[in-house]
Amino acid sequence: DGGITQSPKYLFRKEGQNVTLSCEQNLNHDAMYWYRQDPGQGLRLIYYSQIVNDFQKGDIAEGYSVSREKKESFPLTVTSAQKNPTAFYLCASRTTGQGISYEQYFGPGTRLTVT
Amino acid sequence: GQQVMQIPQYQHVQEGEDFTTYCNSSTTLSNIQWYKQRPGGHPVFLIQLVKSGEVKKQKRLTFQFGEAKKNSSLHITATQTTDVGTYFCAHGSSNTGKLIFGQGTTLQVKP
Repeated sequence: DGGITQSPKYLFRKEGQNVTLSCEQNLNHDAMYWYRQDPGQGLRLIYYSQIVNDFQKGDIAEGYSVSREKKESFPLTVTSAQKNPTAFYLCASRTTGQGISYEQYFGPGTRLTVT
Repeated sequence: GQQVMQIPQYQHVQEGEDFTTYCNSSTTLSNIQWYKQRPGGHPVFLIQLVKSGEVKKQKRLTFQFGEAKKNSSLHITATQTTDVGTYFCAHGSSNTGKLIFGQGTTLQVKP
């Protein structure tokens, strides 16, 4: 059964701690994305990667870091430098094959609460 | 950068009434996508439009892309409680594939 998994579903951390969110996909997609969603708002792009060992900053990359060592995995680290880390984090992936579809497949998300 | 504005932010309807959400851009869009996010869930792709004046239907949902490719709409006929959720429009960058999302319209349906 193909898809995107994110773990954990809920995560609680103390202020000042770094935390890493997991994102794994078995769809054989080249591109992966991290979004942040705050209550009542749309999704904002944090980082994206179009190919293994390469990634680019999105619109709100400050305080976050990523790695893309494997095609299937795109973990996101929320560092202590992120001023308002409490949010719903969504990972997505997309094929970059033939055609002009920009459809993205989303994981179930991780709700991070920092106190 | 390119932005998409979506209205209204919230809509409450009685079950059986129709619903429409609108997405607008000041610049021409190469494509527009629509996603649905159920409460507590994640966005799920509904459809992509790429042609000027394009109209696509999925059962009670009708999607339109404007002639100038600067606006789009999603219309739901005879809403049902299963339609509850937030509907987002999004534009996909042709270079990177990254999506620029509208703010979303949250639909509540009273039974």
